[in-house]
Amino acid sequence: AQTVTQSQPEMSVQEAETVTLSCTYDTSESDYYLFWYKQPPSRQMILVIRQEAYKQQNATENRFSVNFQKAAKSFSLKISDSQLGDAAMYFCAYMRKSSGDKLTFGTGTRLAVRP
Amino acid sequence: GAGVSQSPRYKVAKRGQDVALRCDPISGHVSLFWYQQALGQGPEFLTYFQNEAQLDKSGLPSDRFFAERPEGSVSTLKIQRTQQEDSAVYLCASSSFGQGRNTIYFGEGSWLTVV
Repeated sequence: AQTVTQSQPEMSVQEAETVTLSCTYDTSESDYYLFWYKQPPSRQMILVIRQEAYKQQNATENRFSVNFQKAAKSFSLKISDSQLGDAAMYFCAYMRKSSGDKLTFGTGTRLAVRP
Repeated sequence: GAGVSQSPRYKVAKRGQDVALRCDPISGHVSLFWYQQALGQGPEFLTYFQNEAQLDKSGLPSDRFFAERPEGSVSTLKIQRTQQEDSAVYLCASSSFGQGRNTIYFGEGSWLTVV
């Protein structure tokens, strides 16, 4: 079974600074997707960024980028120029390509942004 | 609709009571998912529909949990004889196509408290 581990329950960053959230996963599959989702207090999960395992290039979306290390099964999220609106729970998630979009989530990292 | 809509947003049930949670996915979305998110945890997969067919129900925790999507649009998650451990946020998600190529959109969830 696939597992996703987020070892940082809480992180804090100063506004305008950069922060990195860690995620590791375990799978025997060679092709899959990895995601970072943001969950504000409203509880609606919002997709931040997506990475396809066969693509070696790290995904980027504006201030958000990932460091995907396939051999190490590591998938960290870097948030640059942090903003107050970035404060939320962040979940790392895995999807096997043949699983019909079923996501396996980590336990989350709560990010606080200090003004 | 514009997004995934869930109702009720909040539900307090007495132990032993039956509850029904409704999900209205984005119009035209083929895939529909239910997740359970306990306090302080990441969402956990419950069940998956492709149109009206329930293709995966491996995450349903017991036979007290039942989901349906009879016409391939609106879905209902029913929990019979609720227990305190059923207290959680129940998230519904939908997507237009499988295999992770399209974005999965989440609703804001139904918060269930069993007292």
